[in-house]
Amino acid sequence: DADVTQTPRNRITKTGKRIMLECSQTKGHDRMYWYRQDPGLGLRLIYYSFDVKDINKGEISDGYSVSRQAQAKFSLSLESAIPNQTALYFCATSRGRGYGYTFGSGTRLTVV
Amino acid sequence: AQSVTQPDIHITVSEGASLELRCNYSYGATPYLFWYVQSPGQGLQLLLKYFSGDTLVQGIKGFEAEFKRSQSSFNLRKPSVHWSDAAEYFCAVGADGGATNKLIFGTGTLLAVQP
Repeated sequence: DADVTQTPRNRITKTGKRIMLECSQTKGHDRMYWYRQDPGLGLRLIYYSFDVKDINKGEISDGYSVSRQAQAKFSLSLESAIPNQTALYFCATSRGRGYGYTFGSGTRLTVV
Repeated sequence: AQSVTQPDIHITVSEGASLELRCNYSYGATPYLFWYVQSPGQGLQLLLKYFSGDTLVQGIKGFEAEFKRSQSSFNLRKPSVHWSDAAEYFCAVGADGGATNKLIFGTGTLLAVQP
């Protein structure tokens, strides 16, 4: 099994629908992150969490919410999806300061 | 604010040729620096990282990078490119001095390899 698993891999949804992207990890890392990737813009941070009780907004959190259900699970929700949220979404984990990230394979979300 | 610039959006090299991908960062203190590679349809994989010490760091797949404080650069190099190196490459800097381990990513450089 992959260290960081994202579900679904691909999703098409309609404008106004609520959608949840899920992330689970077997790394045992406390720190988890959600990024979105857009062509020409690189990766931008949406939310991050240090543990179940510590959740923080990133640079582009508007329109998104998160839930850290357990150390291993970190979900991203779009309460009312809009077309400009069409993107590739990545979950990542980290051991901590000075360490790099372990990324999931991504969720490609299309909002029509 | 911290930032990362990758000046080259797209680079094409011939197989067997040398490669250098440029990365410039903006950060007041000694940065944490990373290079990641993304193959089509895949997540990002860590190639190498720099925190302190020797300014020339070795990574996986034969890549290396050199930290140059005077130029605020952390360029990625490979002496001989293989067709399997075709991918998108991202440079990243650790924000907030690494306390939160948030990474700021560049916009990426797409590498194509000609036979």
